[in-house]
Amino acid sequence: GQQVMQIPQYQHVQEGEDFTTYCNSSTTLSNIQWYKQRPGGHPVFLIQLVKSGEVKKQKRLTFQFGEAKKNSSLHITATQTIDVGTYFCAGFGNEKLTFGTGTRLTIIP
Amino acid sequence: AAGVIQSPRHLIKEKRETATLKCYPIPRHDTVYWYQQGPGQDPQFLISFYEKMQSDKGSIPDRFSAQQFSDYHSELNMSSLELGDSALYFCASSDGVRGEQYFGPGTRLTVT
Repeated sequence: GQQVMQIPQYQHVQEGEDFTTYCNSSTTLSNIQWYKQRPGGHPVFLIQLVKSGEVKKQKRLTFQFGEAKKNSSLHITATQTIDVGTYFCAGFGNEKLTFGTGTRLTIIP
Repeated sequence: AAGVIQSPRHLIKEKRETATLKCYPIPRHDTVYWYQQGPGQDPQFLISFYEKMQSDKGSIPDRFSAQQFSDYHSELNMSSLELGDSALYFCASSDGVRGEQYFGPGTRLTVT
């Protein structure tokens, strides 16, 4: 079945440093979605990418969908304490959405 | 804007008891998902419904069952509860199976 892996599992960064999480699917995806879950909260939808090679930005967050539509990345520039949380990618393929394993980001002030 | 509503927010049960969790999706959303998130774990997909029919099944134990009703709300029924069932249970809804999922605040189930 479809598998979606994320690396790294954990990331600790100093406030102000950049952060990147990578998502890889075992199959070609129709779209990729990104979610953020703050500690003690519920996952919140961030963005959806559909086109091969698509790049979207939300303030300090940059999302990229690979040319082969099998991988994606989320890059945060100059992290802030509000960025703390777990970031999940979710790939839609074979008529189902499969969540990645998540990357837990902690910020060192 | 209306969000996904889950009830109850907290539930304490004893081993071998039963529990029913309810989920009210965002209006006009026809797809509902259930997830289980243990302490320090990632959400694990349990089951989903599209237009009142089961659309996908994940790691849902046989002791659990779920359904989606005519008004699109969904209920997760859990029987013969075990200590390991203690977790946060999220419901999410979407407009069709391809749409982004909107999560509810979750129901925290504690089994003692």
